[in-house]
Amino acid sequence: KAGVTQTPRYLIKTRGQQVTLSCSPISGHRSVSWYQQTPGQGLQFLFEYFSETQRNKGNFPGRFSGRQFSNSRSEMNVSTLELGDSALYLCASSLALTGLNTEAFFGQGTRLTVV
Amino acid sequence: AQTVTQSQPEMSVQEAETVTLSCTYDTSESDYYLFWYKQPPSRQMILVIRQEAYKQQNATENRFSVNFQKAAKSFSLKISDSQLGDAAMYFCASLNTGTASKLTFGTGTRLQVTL
Repeated sequence: KAGVTQTPRYLIKTRGQQVTLSCSPISGHRSVSWYQQTPGQGLQFLFEYFSETQRNKGNFPGRFSGRQFSNSRSEMNVSTLELGDSALYLCASSLALTGLNTEAFFGQGTRLTVV
Repeated sequence: AQTVTQSQPEMSVQEAETVTLSCTYDTSESDYYLFWYKQPPSRQMILVIRQEAYKQQNATENRFSVNFQKAAKSFSLKISDSQLGDAAMYFCASLNTGTASKLTFGTGTRLQVTL
């Protein structure tokens, strides 16, 4: 079956602009998580959506937001972009049923460059 | 809060040899999972092996095995018969069952495989 799909793969934006990233999970997966990966901070958890509700949130400013649609596809939005937002943004999907298999499957990421 | 520490930024191994990557973690939870992920140059995170904390037996997946020392909070990955395709960044990660889908990652170990 198809894996996790992230679009676009690459993005260049200017400081102050906003950006929307998209993630389509594996069919049947209701949980979508987002991570930011930078050389300095490593992999950091942004937030997780499950059945259209934000279930977990990391320590990021309010400029970072997300949502999930009824088909489990998720979007992440970053407003008022800063140079420090340049990163690889990874999306992961899972069944996320408590006590059962929680394996996360990752997409190939979106490389965001802010200039 | 959970923390995951990987103290080896880089490791090198010769083809067909064995290498061990180290990982320590800290958590106050009693129920959690531990993972090793591989990130090749393609950037996609691939699950290598997982360990449930309540299981005493060390997990094994073909050439990959772990040494899980729960009291010492240690979770090392052993790669046997190393292959050129094993060259990648390896991340150790933990997940509390109470915060399903929120992975906490270590800083990673870059593994080089030489002929």
